[in-house]
Amino acid sequence: GAGVSQTPSNKVTEKGKYVELRCDPISGHTALYWYRQSLGQGPEFLIYFQGTGAADDSGLPNDRFFAVRPEGSVSTLKIQRTERGDSAVYLCASSLIITDSYNEQFFGPGTRLTVL
Amino acid sequence: AQKITQTQPGMFVQEKEAVTLDCTYDTSDPSYGLFWYKQPSSGEMIFLIYQGSYDQQNATEGRYSLNFQKARKSANLVISASQLGDSAMYFCAIKDTDKLIFGTGTRLQVFP
Repeated sequence: GAGVSQTPSNKVTEKGKYVELRCDPISGHTALYWYRQSLGQGPEFLIYFQGTGAADDSGLPNDRFFAVRPEGSVSTLKIQRTERGDSAVYLCASSLIITDSYNEQFFGPGTRLTVL
Repeated sequence: AQKITQTQPGMFVQEKEAVTLDCTYDTSDPSYGLFWYKQPSSGEMIFLIYQGSYDQQNATEGRYSLNFQKARKSANLVISASQLGDSAMYFCAIKDTDKLIFGTGTRLQVFP
């Protein structure tokens, strides 16, 4: 079956612009996660959705970052007034939530964001 | 707070040999889960293996095994019979409620 997909694969923008990054999770996965991976680092958690609601947004760095998942499937990460420090690979992951299971997260290929 | 430490920025191994990638963790939770992911140059994170803190035996998945030493808070990944396709970044992670906390990774290079 289809895995997690992310679009676009690459996005180049100018400082101060607004960008949207899209994630299509695996069908039936109720949990969706966004991570950010800077060069030479491991992924860092941004936000977690359970269904349509953000269950944990503690990783969002500031109020320029916002994410939605209006129908409990596709999610969009929105970044306002982009800064050069926002340049990174943005990874999306999804999982089933099963009691007493480790609920492996399946990752997409990521969107590479470059802010000039 | 949960933390993962991977002290090996890079490792080399000859094809068909075994290699151990180190991972230590810090947590105050009595129940936790540890994951290893592989990230090839394509960028996608690929799940390899999972170890629960209450699991009695070390986890194994094909050529991957986890050397879990709870008292030392270490969860080293052992890859047996290395293949050229194993060349990639490897990340250790611990589950914090629902999110994963990753280490900085180890770049493994397998040479013929």
